[in-house]
Amino acid sequence: DVKVTQSSRYLVKRTGEKVFLECVQDMDHENMFWYRQDPGLGLRLIYFSYDVKMKEKGDIPEGYSVSREKKERFSLILESASTNQTSMYLCASSSGRKSYNSPLHFGNGTRLTVT
Amino acid sequence: AQKVTQAQTEISVVEKEDVTLDCVYETRDTTYYLFWYKQPPSGELVFLIRRNSFDEQNEISGRYSWNFQKSTSSFNFTITASQVVDSAVYFCALSEAVLTGNQFYFGTGTSLTVIP
Repeated sequence: DVKVTQSSRYLVKRTGEKVFLECVQDMDHENMFWYRQDPGLGLRLIYFSYDVKMKEKGDIPEGYSVSREKKERFSLILESASTNQTSMYLCASSSGRKSYNSPLHFGNGTRLTVT
Repeated sequence: AQKVTQAQTEISVVEKEDVTLDCVYETRDTTYYLFWYKQPPSGELVFLIRRNSFDEQNEISGRYSWNFQKSTSSFNFTITASQVVDSAVYFCALSEAVLTGNQFYFGTGTSLTVIP
């Protein structure tokens, strides 16, 4: 079974802090994704990556950056956390570079609260 | 415009009732995939099914069945004889082959509560 692990289940940070959300997958998947989930808005794509050191903006990249130095790890960075970034963050991976037919495999999510 | 619409925000049914979750999608691609995911209270989205745009056969897996109709751009999900363990948020998603590469579009989800 594919395992996508997010480093923290719950996180509380203060406004202005730099926040790192880590995600690791163990199935050698090429594609990795960061989504945020908010009530009534579903899942919205923040950033995704098809390969090491590659990244592409999703629908809501403002206020975020990402890093993919190793194939199995995809980090989401909030440069200066704000209260409107309080949300559930979901990491996902899929096989086949740029493959549109591979299902996404998700981690358990990180619930981030910014105070 | 919303590419995937799940008009039902919340549904409650009594155990053993059948329930259908609706999903309507919008795409200009001729090649695309549709997916359903389940998100139980634990939070992890679990992949349930994938259907490509060239295969309109209905699919049944145990108590779950899916009805794909290109004519109405719908991919509905029916749970037969619902159980409490079916309580979750269900997401429908679309992945387009040509226009957007590897981006998935998710609906806003339908929260299903099965009452014992």
